[in-house]
Amino acid sequence: EVQLLESGGGLVEPGGSLRLSCAASGFTFSSYDMSWVRQAPGKGLEWVSTFSASGGSTYYADSVKGRFTISRDNSKNTLFLQMNSLRAEDTAVYYCAKDFSSGYYCFDFWGQGTLVTVSS
Amino acid sequence: DIVMTQSPDSLAVSLGERATINCKSSQSVLYSTNNKNYLGWYQQKPGQPPKLLIYWASSRESGVPDRFSGSGSGTDFTLTISSLQAEDVAVYYCQQYYSTPLTFGGGTRVEIK
Repeated sequence: EVQLLESGGGLVEPGGSLRLSCAASGFTFSSYDMSWVRQAPGKGLEWVSTFSASGGSTYYADSVKGRFTISRDNSKNTLFLQMNSLRAEDTAVYYCAKDFSSGYYCFDFWGQGTLVTVSS
Repeated sequence: DIVMTQSPDSLAVSLGERATINCKSSQSVLYSTNNKNYLGWYQQKPGQPPKLLIYWASSRESGVPDRFSGSGSGTDFTLTISSLQAEDVAVYYCQQYYSTPLTFGGGTRVEIK
C-alpha cells in the first residue's frame, strides 16, 4: 500500500524557514517523480515544485523560485522541501504527491498534508 | 503559463441526476507525438487530500466508479457524473500536466439539490 507521510509544518514568523519532509512507502520511490502541492485555507490547489526521478531535474512555481528548494533522499525514501524567506501568502497545507507514471505529473497518491502558518 | 478555467463554480444536482463540470485550457494540452491529452481530474472532500479520478482526459483511475467519466480534447474538457450519489459531494479540480508550471482549475463544488 502506497503511503506518503508529511511532517515539519508549524507556525513560523515572516522571513523564517521551515523544512518539510515526506516519508514514502509501498512503492519504488526512486522510480517516480515527486512533487509538492499546496492549498491555502479555503482556496484551490497550487503546484509548488517537482523533483524528477531521472536526471535530478527540479521545477518550481514562480511564486517560490529562489526561496524554496526541493530535494530527495532515495536511500531513505524521503522527499524534502526547504522553505526560506517565508511570507504570509505561503500559509497553506502542503501535500506531497506521487506521479501516476514516471515523467507525467498527474498525481495518483497524495499525503494527508502538513499545515504551514506564516504569521507574527 | 497554461490557465485552466472551470465552470460552473458550483452546482446543485438531485440524487441520481447527471452532473457536468467543464474545464477549458488557455492553450491545447494535446501532445501530437502520442495523441494524448495531458489533463487530469481530482475529487476533494472536506479535510481530505485530492483523489485522482481521471487521467489522459478520459482514462478512469483504478477503483473509481464508472459513473465518473471524462471527455474532451485540445482545450475543452468535461467531467461527468452520470448519476450523482451522496458520497460524490465534493470539490472537483482539473489539472494540466502538459507543461510546467503545472496548473489547476479553480474548482467546482458539487452539492445535492
